[in-house]
Amino acid sequence: DAGVIQSPRHEVTEMGQEVTLRCKPISGHDYLFWYRQTMMRGLELLIYFNNNVPIDDSGMPEDRFSAKMPNASFSTLKIQPSEPRDSAVYFCASSRQQGVHGYTFGSGTRLTVV
Amino acid sequence: AQSVSQHNHHVILSEAASLELGCNYSYGGTVNLFWYVQYPGQHLQLLLKYFSGDPLVKGIKGFEAEFIKSKFSFNLRKPSVQWSDTAEYFCAVNKGGSTLGRLYFGRGTQLTVWP
Repeated sequence: DAGVIQSPRHEVTEMGQEVTLRCKPISGHDYLFWYRQTMMRGLELLIYFNNNVPIDDSGMPEDRFSAKMPNASFSTLKIQPSEPRDSAVYFCASSRQQGVHGYTFGSGTRLTVV
Repeated sequence: AQSVSQHNHHVILSEAASLELGCNYSYGGTVNLFWYVQYPGQHLQLLLKYFSGDPLVKGIKGFEAEFIKSKFSFNLRKPSVQWSDTAEYFCAVNKGGSTLGRLYFGRGTQLTVWP
Protein backbone atom coordinates (compact mmCIF):
# COMPACT_ATOMS: atom_id res chain seq x y z
CA ASP A 1 0.00 0.00 0.00
CA ALA A 2 1.48 3.33 -1.05
CA GLY A 3 -0.23 5.24 1.72
CA VAL A 4 -1.86 8.63 1.31
CA ILE A 5 -0.22 10.44 -1.57
CA GLN A 6 -0.11 14.19 -1.76
CA SER A 7 1.25 16.42 -4.47
CA PRO A 8 3.11 18.59 -4.83
CA ARG A 9 5.43 18.27 -1.82
CA HIS A 10 6.39 21.90 -2.04
CA GLU A 11 4.68 24.80 -3.75
CA VAL A 12 5.89 28.36 -3.98
CA THR A 13 3.56 30.80 -5.61
CA GLU A 14 2.95 34.49 -5.89
CA MET A 15 0.14 36.21 -4.10
CA GLY A 16 -3.02 36.21 -6.18
CA GLN A 17 -2.27 33.01 -8.02
CA GLU A 18 -4.45 29.93 -7.90
CA VAL A 19 -3.04 26.95 -6.02
CA THR A 20 -4.31 23.38 -6.28
CA LEU A 21 -3.25 20.70 -3.84
CA ARG A 22 -3.94 17.06 -4.60
CA CYS A 23 -4.54 13.98 -2.54
CA LYS A 24 -4.99 10.30 -3.26
CA PRO A 25 -6.33 8.43 -0.23
CA ILE A 26 -5.62 4.83 0.62
CA SER A 27 -7.78 2.49 -1.42
CA GLY A 28 -10.81 1.38 0.55
CA HIS A 29 -10.75 4.31 2.93
CA ASP A 30 -14.10 6.09 2.92
CA TYR A 31 -13.14 9.20 4.91
CA LEU A 32 -10.83 11.92 3.67
CA PHE A 33 -9.65 14.93 5.65
CA TRP A 34 -7.81 18.13 4.80
CA TYR A 35 -5.79 19.79 7.57
CA ARG A 36 -3.67 22.90 7.71
CA GLN A 37 -0.74 23.20 10.11
CA THR A 38 0.92 26.44 11.14
CA MET A 39 3.06 27.46 14.07
CA MET A 40 0.47 29.96 15.24
CA ARG A 41 -2.68 27.85 15.05
CA GLY A 42 -1.40 24.30 15.12
CA LEU A 43 -3.35 21.60 13.31
CA GLU A 44 -6.68 22.82 11.91
CA LEU A 45 -9.32 20.67 10.23
CA LEU A 46 -10.46 22.41 7.06
CA ILE A 47 -12.96 19.95 5.61
CA TYR A 48 -13.74 16.26 5.55
CA PHE A 49 -15.54 13.90 3.22
CA ASN A 50 -17.33 10.61 3.70
CA ASN A 51 -17.91 8.53 0.58
CA ASN A 52 -16.92 11.56 -1.52
CA VAL A 53 -19.56 13.79 0.10
CA PRO A 54 -18.42 16.82 2.12
CA ILE A 55 -19.58 16.36 5.70
CA ASP A 56 -18.18 19.40 7.47
CA ASP A 57 -16.53 22.36 5.79
CA SER A 58 -16.84 24.74 8.72
CA GLY A 59 -13.08 24.88 9.03
CA MET A 60 -12.57 26.32 5.56
CA PRO A 61 -11.26 29.79 6.36
CA GLU A 62 -12.77 31.78 3.50
CA ASP A 63 -14.53 31.51 0.19
CA ARG A 64 -11.10 31.55 -1.40
CA PHE A 65 -10.77 27.93 -0.28
CA SER A 66 -12.66 25.12 -1.96
CA ALA A 67 -12.33 21.35 -1.92
CA LYS A 68 -13.69 18.61 -4.11
CA MET A 69 -13.70 14.87 -4.14
CA PRO A 70 -14.93 13.76 -7.56
CA ASN A 71 -14.29 10.09 -6.84
CA ALA A 72 -13.08 7.77 -4.10
CA SER A 73 -9.46 8.00 -5.16
CA PHE A 74 -8.87 11.71 -5.60
CA SER A 75 -9.43 15.01 -3.85
CA THR A 76 -8.29 18.57 -4.43
CA LEU A 77 -7.98 21.62 -2.25
CA LYS A 78 -7.93 24.86 -4.17
CA ILE A 79 -7.02 28.35 -3.02
CA GLN A 80 -7.97 31.18 -5.34
CA PRO A 81 -6.60 33.80 -5.01
CA SER A 82 -3.78 32.84 -2.68
CA GLU A 83 -2.46 35.16 0.01
CA PRO A 84 0.77 35.12 2.09
CA ARG A 85 -1.21 34.15 5.21
CA ASP A 86 -2.17 30.91 3.47
CA SER A 87 1.43 29.76 3.80
CA ALA A 88 1.35 26.53 5.79
CA VAL A 89 1.72 22.79 5.52
CA TYR A 90 -1.44 21.18 4.22
CA PHE A 91 -2.02 17.56 5.16
CA CYS A 92 -4.46 15.11 3.71
CA ALA A 93 -5.50 12.07 5.75
CA SER A 94 -7.78 9.14 5.13
CA SER A 95 -9.45 6.53 7.30
CA ARG A 96 -11.87 3.65 7.23
CA GLN A 97 -14.35 2.18 9.66
CA GLN A 98 -15.42 5.60 10.83
CA GLY A 99 -11.99 6.51 12.09
CA VAL A 100 -11.88 3.96 14.86
CA HIS A 101 -8.41 2.95 13.78
CA GLY A 102 -7.23 6.51 13.42
CA TYR A 103 -6.08 8.29 10.33
CA THR A 104 -3.25 7.75 7.93
CA PHE A 105 -1.67 11.05 6.98
CA GLY A 106 0.02 12.00 3.76
CA SER A 107 3.43 13.64 3.73
CA GLY A 108 1.92 17.08 3.31
CA THR A 109 2.30 19.98 0.91
CA ARG A 110 4.38 22.89 2.12
CA LEU A 111 2.82 25.98 0.58
CA THR A 112 4.65 29.30 0.49
CA VAL A 113 2.84 32.32 -0.90
CA VAL A 114 5.13 35.27 -1.54
CA ALA B 1 -16.67 23.70 24.77
CA GLN B 2 -15.81 20.09 24.16
CA SER B 3 -12.12 19.72 23.54
CA VAL B 4 -8.90 17.78 23.81
CA SER B 5 -6.39 19.39 26.15
CA GLN B 6 -2.68 18.79 26.23
CA HIS B 7 -1.30 20.42 29.32
CA ASN B 8 2.27 20.97 28.29
CA HIS B 9 3.17 23.05 25.28
CA HIS B 10 6.89 22.26 25.43
CA VAL B 11 8.73 19.64 27.47
CA ILE B 12 12.52 19.50 27.67
CA LEU B 13 14.24 16.41 29.03
CA SER B 14 17.66 14.84 29.13
CA GLU B 15 18.23 11.42 27.65
CA ALA B 16 17.19 8.55 29.93
CA ALA B 17 14.69 10.73 31.79
CA SER B 18 11.15 9.48 32.16
CA LEU B 19 8.37 11.08 30.18
CA GLU B 20 4.72 11.69 30.86
CA LEU B 21 2.61 13.89 28.58
CA GLY B 22 -0.85 14.76 29.74
CA CYS B 23 -4.03 14.57 27.68
CA ASN B 24 -7.56 15.22 28.87
CA TYR B 25 -10.75 15.26 26.86
CA SER B 26 -14.19 16.54 27.68
CA TYR B 27 -16.44 14.22 25.68
CA GLY B 28 -18.86 11.86 27.37
CA GLY B 29 -19.72 8.38 26.25
CA THR B 30 -17.58 5.91 24.41
CA VAL B 31 -14.42 7.28 22.86
CA ASN B 32 -11.46 5.95 20.96
CA LEU B 33 -8.14 7.52 21.87
CA PHE B 34 -4.92 8.04 19.97
CA TRP B 35 -1.45 9.46 20.25
CA TYR B 36 0.32 10.65 17.13
CA VAL B 37 3.94 11.69 16.73
CA GLN B 38 5.33 14.19 14.24
CA TYR B 39 9.10 14.14 13.78
CA PRO B 40 10.70 17.34 12.49
CA GLY B 41 9.68 18.00 8.91
CA GLN B 42 7.51 14.91 8.68
CA HIS B 43 3.83 14.02 8.79
CA LEU B 44 1.86 12.69 11.73
CA GLN B 45 2.28 9.00 12.45
CA LEU B 46 0.22 6.83 14.74
CA LEU B 47 2.04 5.97 17.96
CA LEU B 48 -0.67 4.01 19.74
CA LYS B 49 -4.43 3.71 20.10
CA TYR B 50 -7.05 2.62 22.60
CA PHE B 51 -10.45 1.16 21.75
CA SER B 52 -11.48 -1.00 24.67
CA GLY B 53 -10.18 -3.59 27.09
CA ASP B 54 -6.93 -3.16 28.97
CA PRO B 55 -6.61 0.55 29.73
CA LEU B 56 -2.84 0.34 29.51
CA VAL B 57 -1.90 0.42 25.86
CA LYS B 58 1.55 -0.25 24.50
CA GLY B 59 2.70 1.35 21.29
CA ILE B 60 5.79 1.54 19.16
CA LYS B 61 9.24 2.64 20.32
CA GLY B 62 8.60 1.86 23.98
CA PHE B 63 5.71 4.28 24.43
CA GLU B 64 2.62 3.43 26.41
CA ALA B 65 -0.52 5.26 27.45
CA GLU B 66 -3.06 4.73 30.18
CA PHE B 67 -6.76 5.43 29.78
CA ILE B 68 -8.36 6.56 33.03
CA LYS B 69 -12.05 6.92 32.30
CA SER B 70 -12.92 8.60 35.58
CA LYS B 71 -10.39 11.31 34.88
CA PHE B 72 -11.09 11.60 31.15
CA SER B 73 -7.38 11.21 30.63
CA PHE B 74 -5.07 9.36 28.28
CA ASN B 75 -1.53 10.22 29.30
CA LEU B 76 1.47 9.14 27.27
CA ARG B 77 4.51 7.69 29.02
CA LYS B 78 7.96 6.39 28.29
CA PRO B 79 10.33 5.23 31.04
CA SER B 80 13.53 6.39 29.34
CA VAL B 81 13.56 8.86 26.45
CA GLN B 82 16.15 9.06 23.71
CA TRP B 83 17.38 11.96 21.62
CA SER B 84 15.49 10.47 18.67
CA ASP B 85 12.20 10.98 20.54
CA THR B 86 12.46 14.71 19.89
CA ALA B 87 9.20 15.44 18.11
CA GLU B 88 5.75 16.90 18.53
CA TYR B 89 3.14 14.67 20.12
CA PHE B 90 -0.59 14.97 19.50
CA CYS B 91 -3.41 13.42 21.45
CA ALA B 92 -6.63 12.73 19.52
CA VAL B 93 -10.15 11.50 20.29
CA ASN B 94 -12.80 9.85 18.14
CA LYS B 95 -16.07 10.48 19.94
CA GLY B 96 -18.61 8.94 17.61
CA GLY B 97 -22.17 10.18 17.35
CA SER B 98 -22.88 12.73 14.65
CA THR B 99 -19.18 13.29 14.12
CA LEU B 100 -18.34 9.61 13.75
CA GLY B 101 -15.24 9.34 11.66
CA ARG B 102 -13.64 12.55 12.77
CA LEU B 103 -10.69 12.83 15.16
CA TYR B 104 -10.38 15.80 17.49
CA PHE B 105 -6.75 16.74 18.06
CA GLY B 106 -5.08 18.53 20.94
CA ARG B 107 -2.72 21.44 20.27
CA GLY B 108 0.32 19.22 20.56
CA THR B 109 3.29 19.00 22.93
CA GLN B 110 6.77 19.65 21.63
CA LEU B 111 9.28 17.28 23.25
CA THR B 112 12.95 18.18 23.11
CA VAL B 113 15.43 15.60 24.36
CA TRP B 114 19.00 16.72 25.01
CA PRO B 115 21.74 14.13 24.52
